[in-house]
Amino acid sequence: NAGVMQNPRHLVRRRGQEARLRCSPMKGHSHVYWYRQLPEEGLKFMVYLQKENIIDESGMPKERFSAEFPKEGPSILRIQQVVRGDSAAYFCASSLTGGSNQPQHFGDGTRLSIL
Amino acid sequence: QKEVEQDPGPLSVPEGAIVSLNCTYSNSAFQYFMWYRQYSRKGPELLMYTYSSGNKEDGRFTAQVDKSSKYISLFIRDSQPSDSATYLCAMSFTGNQFYFGTGTSLTVIP
Repeated sequence: NAGVMQNPRHLVRRRGQEARLRCSPMKGHSHVYWYRQLPEEGLKFMVYLQKENIIDESGMPKERFSAEFPKEGPSILRIQQVVRGDSAAYFCASSLTGGSNQPQHFGDGTRLSIL
Repeated sequence: QKEVEQDPGPLSVPEGAIVSLNCTYSNSAFQYFMWYRQYSRKGPELLMYTYSSGNKEDGRFTAQVDKSSKYISLFIRDSQPSDSATYLCAMSFTGNQFYFGTGTSLTVIP
C-alpha cells in the first residue's frame, strides 16, 4: 500500500456533523477513486476523479456526499450531516492513467465511526 | 443477483498446502480481473492483474480466468502463515468501476 496516503486513519463524528476524508495519490498518479467498505460486504465504488474533474460519480449517494480533486492538494471526500449508516471504512485508490487496463493501488483507508 | 460472488470462507489450511480461491460473476462484459490481498485494518494490496481468459503466474501465485464459465481462480502454492489474510477478487469491463467480491478469509496454520 506504499504511496497512497489517507488521513485521518480513524475519524469519529456525532450525527449531524461533517466528515472530511483526505487522499493523496501515489506519486505521478492523477486518477483517484473512492470506495466504501461495510462489514460483511465488498468494496463498493463511489466516485472516480481526475484533477479538477469528476469523471464518474454513479456510485455516490445523491445527497450529503461530495468529492473533489483540486489542482493542488489531496482529493477530499466530504460527507455532510452524517448519520449512523455512514459508519464504514472508506478507501481511496489511485492509478497512473484511467481505464480498466490500469490497476488501482489502495491506501489503508479511513475508518469513520458515527456516534 | 450480485455482480460478483465469492465464498467468504473462512478457509483454514496447513502450512505448505495449495490454496484455491474462486469467484464467479454474472456480467459477461467483464474483461479485466484482479486479485487483492487485504490484511486486517489495511488497504487491499494488488496481487494479480489479468486481461481476458487464460493463466498468469507470479511466484507462488497463479491466476486463472475462464470467461466461458464466468469463473476466476487464484492458486497459492506452498502457502505460508504470512499468506493469512482476506483475498478479494475484482473485475471491470471498459469503465473505471471495479466490482469486488466480498472476500475470502484465509488462515494458514504453521
